[in-house]
Amino acid sequence: GDSVTQMEGPVTLSEEAFLTINCTYTATGYPSLFWYVQYPGEGLQLLLKATKADDKGSNKGFEATYRKETTSFHLEKGSVQVSDSAVYFCALSWEYGNKLVFGAGTILRVKS
Amino acid sequence: DADVTQTPRNRITKTGKRIMLECSQTKGHDRMYWYRQDPGLGLRLIYYSFDVKDINKGEISDGYSVSRQAQAKFSLSLESAIPNQTALYFCATSETGTYGYTFGSGTRLTVV
Repeated sequence: GDSVTQMEGPVTLSEEAFLTINCTYTATGYPSLFWYVQYPGEGLQLLLKATKADDKGSNKGFEATYRKETTSFHLEKGSVQVSDSAVYFCALSWEYGNKLVFGAGTILRVKS
Repeated sequence: DADVTQTPRNRITKTGKRIMLECSQTKGHDRMYWYRQDPGLGLRLIYYSFDVKDINKGEISDGYSVSRQAQAKFSLSLESAIPNQTALYFCATSETGTYGYTFGSGTRLTVV
């Protein structure tokens, strides 16, 4: 079945460091891909999405590009802030409004 | 008020007890979901409903049941709680034809 694999955390960075969180997927075909963020004590929020190959999603300084050749959707940010500390989930979905398949999540800790 | 409200926020119950987790939404979305979050496992789908008369099992439905009382209400029941059902439970909604998912703030359930 479909699955999403994320790099294990926690990832600990100093403020203003460059962030990469790796995400790869296994699926037949080309699903839509998402990054969700969960701040402490809260539910998940959509961070960005890409609905077809080579699309780049971006939001709040975060970016991810849908790479069908490597079945990847890595999350990047050029300069992280303490406020970016959260759990980040990569996910896929097959159609509008349909159920999401999540990766295990990656904890990000940013130190000042 | 939150778009997706889950009650209770926290609950401790004893093994063998029946417990119900409730979810209500003001988004007007037709689709509703129950997910379970465990450390290192991400979010796993328990049940989902695409409209009031449509209920579907997710990947980990054993030991759970659901009721879609109205378009805005979707309840999750544990008929006889067991300790390995200790987890963080999230309700989510989405609308057919869009990619937007809205999550509740979660219910932290502990079974002792």
